[in-house]
Amino acid sequence: DADVTQTPRNRITKTGKRIMLECSQTKGHDRMYWYRQDPGLGLRLIYYSFDVKDINKGEISDGYSVSRQAQAKFSLSLESAIPNQTALYFCATSRWAGGQETQYFGPGTRLLVL
Amino acid sequence: GESVGLHLPTLSVQEGDNSIINCAYSNSASDYFIWYKQESGKGPQFIIDIRSNMDKRQGQRVTVLLNKTVKHLSLQIAATQPGDSAVYFCAENGVDSSYKLIFGSGTRLLVRP
Repeated sequence: DADVTQTPRNRITKTGKRIMLECSQTKGHDRMYWYRQDPGLGLRLIYYSFDVKDINKGEISDGYSVSRQAQAKFSLSLESAIPNQTALYFCATSRWAGGQETQYFGPGTRLLVL
Repeated sequence: GESVGLHLPTLSVQEGDNSIINCAYSNSASDYFIWYKQESGKGPQFIIDIRSNMDKRQGQRVTVLLNKTVKHLSLQIAATQPGDSAVYFCAENGVDSSYKLIFGSGTRLLVRP
């Protein structure tokens, strides 16, 4: 979905390096999410934000941090990358709709940690 | 904890046949469900959703059925085409007030020519 963009699309880094993945959206949504996807597995929630001042841990937040700089931007950082963080990372957005909201996903960032 | 799961990890169908992808959910309090399609190298895309006050909803070539009695969700694709080859995820809204979506592990649909 072109309304949700992620940069970079692909990244190779070395163990111990700090890296940042960026997500931007033009949908005007208040909620943003970061997921990781491993081969053959579903999506696991890392962090989510319902507002610029709101940051919440998901089920696998260890080793990650996020920043919600503006409503349209939500960045994910790996403080010290390790090989088991090699995965496909997706950003998603949604608008609060009383429990019936749909999440819209970006194209993903493929990360390889050597 | 509560979870969303799928019966079949891979489904292979002949082009032109109908496909049925199943999903079992364990949270009886969930009241909103979504099916997503993920093509290779792309992010998940919304296909169709259904609220718990419905048992069937139809879209273009797709139908979602909800059986709350047995906590079962299915996605039916009519006249399956090669472009339907993808991984399909079901998702339900979360049990807490944040209504985060909980995703299943996915079913891969392979369409044979």
